[in-house]
This record gives sequence, C-alpha cells and structure tokens, in this order.
Amino acid sequence: GAVVSQHPSRVICKSGTSVKIECRSLDFQATTMFWYRQFPKQSLMLMATSNEGSKATYEQGVEKDKFLINHASLTLSTLTVTSAHPEDSSFYICSAREGGGYYGYTFGSGTRLTVV
Amino acid sequence: GENVEQHPSTLSVQEGDSAVIKCTYSDSASNYFPWYKQELGKRPQLIIDIRSNVGEKKDQRIAVTLNKTAKHFSLHITETQPEDSAVYFCAASIGITGNQFYFGTGTSLTVIP
Repeated sequence: GAVVSQHPSRVICKSGTSVKIECRSLDFQATTMFWYRQFPKQSLMLMATSNEGSKATYEQGVEKDKFLINHASLTLSTLTVTSAHPEDSSFYICSAREGGGYYGYTFGSGTRLTVV
Repeated sequence: GENVEQHPSTLSVQEGDSAVIKCTYSDSASNYFPWYKQELGKRPQLIIDIRSNVGEKKDQRIAVTLNKTAKHFSLHITETQPEDSAVYFCAASIGITGNQFYFGTGTSLTVIP
C-alpha cells in the first residue's frame, strides 16, 4: 500500500530558529499533499494544500510567511516553520493521496515540534 | 468553508457494547466522508468511508450512515473491544481531485474490559 514518510519525528529547537519538516511519498507520486497541525487532545487542523510545481494554498488564519511550503517534486513536500516561537510547538502531520478518486489518503507519521 | 462538528468528545463503553459517534457538516457540497482512528502518538488510519450517493456502509463491526438532507453522518461500532480504544475523527471533503479534509473535533473512545 501507499506509504508516506515524514521526518523528523521529533525536533526541539530554540526560539527564533527555523525548522524544516519533510513529507515523502515513498512508492507513489503525489501532485497534492496536505499539511495539518494538531494540538494535544484536539483535532487535525488543515494548514495548507501543497501543490507540486506551484504555490501552496493556505487556510484562513495560517501565516504563509511563517509556514513555508515547498513541493518541488512529485514525491516531496517540505514545511518550514520560520522564526519559531513556543506557541508553534505542536504536532505537524502531512497526508498524500495515491492516484485519483476518493481513496488512498495516507498520513505521515507526524512531527512533534517543541520550541524552547 | 466547511465546518464539521463531532459529538461526543469522550465516550466510555463496556466491552461488547456498541458505540456511536455523530458528526454534522455545514457545506451541502461535501460528498465524501471518511472516518479515521488515531491511537496515541500515531498517525490517523482510515477505518471506513462513505460517499454521498450511499446511505449506509458496513465493514464487519463498523458501519457508517449518512443523512444528506440533515447533513449528518454517524459511526457505529458494535461488539466493542479494548483495542477499539482510540480517538476517532470524522471528516468531510468536496470533490475528487486534490480535495482537502475538514476534520471534526474528535471523540476519545474508551472500551472498558
């Protein structure tokens, strides 16, 4: 089945630094990937839709200059949290779909970001 | 945009009993409704889904019903087992190509042995 790999699984960084999270579709091509954020005991909140070869589409309230998304190839999307602050600490998770239609959405394993 | 509400937020049942989780959505254009199970610290896993042209779908102990008129859908788990304990999320999406999901707020299900 479709596999989505996400790295790193955990990262601790200092305030003011930037962190890059990678999301890879290992055995399929994904023209579209999605980035979600999840606070403890809360739901998955869609942050942005990552489109290969074009600009990402951000949800209302998500700062595009703070959460930079690059989808440079059909198998890789990256999310960079710039100038991170403690309130950015969260669980970030990506998803991708193999093929068309309704089926085949697979989530990455998520990245636990802690900003100190 | 789409707004998905989910109830209850927590649910405890005795092993062997049934569990029902309900969701409502706001956008009548939504036409695909998946349910995900997320165990602590792990990625969400799709457990069942339903399209808008179907009223009910069943897969062993799990079933989902959809009422398009009322814009609500429900997850039914029968003969619950301790391994069913997890957080369950409903979601709604529009369209087929490149569609994003809007998730409900989640239900923490505990099955008591």
